[in-house]
Amino acid sequence: DGGITQSPKYLFRKEGQNVTLSCEQNLNHDAMYWYRQDPGQGLRLIYYSQIVNDFQKGDIAEGYSVSREKKESFPLTVTSAQKNPTAFYLCASSTTGTGNNEQFFGPGTRLTVL
Amino acid sequence: AQSVSQHNHHVILSEAASLELGCNYSYGGTVNLFWYVQYPGQHLQLLLKYFSGDPLVKGIKGFEAEFIKSKFSFNLRKPSVQWSDTAEYFCAVNAEGYNKLIFGAGTRLAVHP
Repeated sequence: DGGITQSPKYLFRKEGQNVTLSCEQNLNHDAMYWYRQDPGQGLRLIYYSQIVNDFQKGDIAEGYSVSREKKESFPLTVTSAQKNPTAFYLCASSTTGTGNNEQFFGPGTRLTVL
Repeated sequence: AQSVSQHNHHVILSEAASLELGCNYSYGGTVNLFWYVQYPGQHLQLLLKYFSGDPLVKGIKGFEAEFIKSKFSFNLRKPSVQWSDTAEYFCAVNAEGYNKLIFGAGTRLAVHP
């Protein structure tokens, strides 16, 4: 089946620790995205990548980092610098990064900082 | 800065009632418009989209939306809702030339049998 996988589904972290969220797609899409979803705030863009080895900051990039070494993979690291990391994180991909293509979403990772 | 407003945060309806969810955006140029839906426990998925042409677009499961450029709106409608339409609905806008979507805050719809 083609799609986007995110792991783990639930993640717990102690304050001060970095944690990496996985996102893999087998749709052969060039563009990939990371969003954060908080109740009542919709989806906010953290980082996006339009092509391998290139990525751009979104609207709330502070405290996060990404890499795009392979077309299929776009891991997100939540660093200890992120002030309020507890949230639901969604990964998405699209055929190109021009914004007018449908984005396909993964199932999400719920991160809780203890 | 571009923004998207969804005026109804929570909507409760009985089955067979008509639905209209409001979406307004702030951007004066050409836009691409989307409605996404997130059913309980499922992935966010595309409901419908507008790029150009007929401003009345039809999507899956009997949903439709109308783009009114003069009002900067893209409201979602369904004539008769079902219990299975219970979900969270997100409006999203892409301004031409910008490589990202801007999402609204979402509207939680609960349909009672």
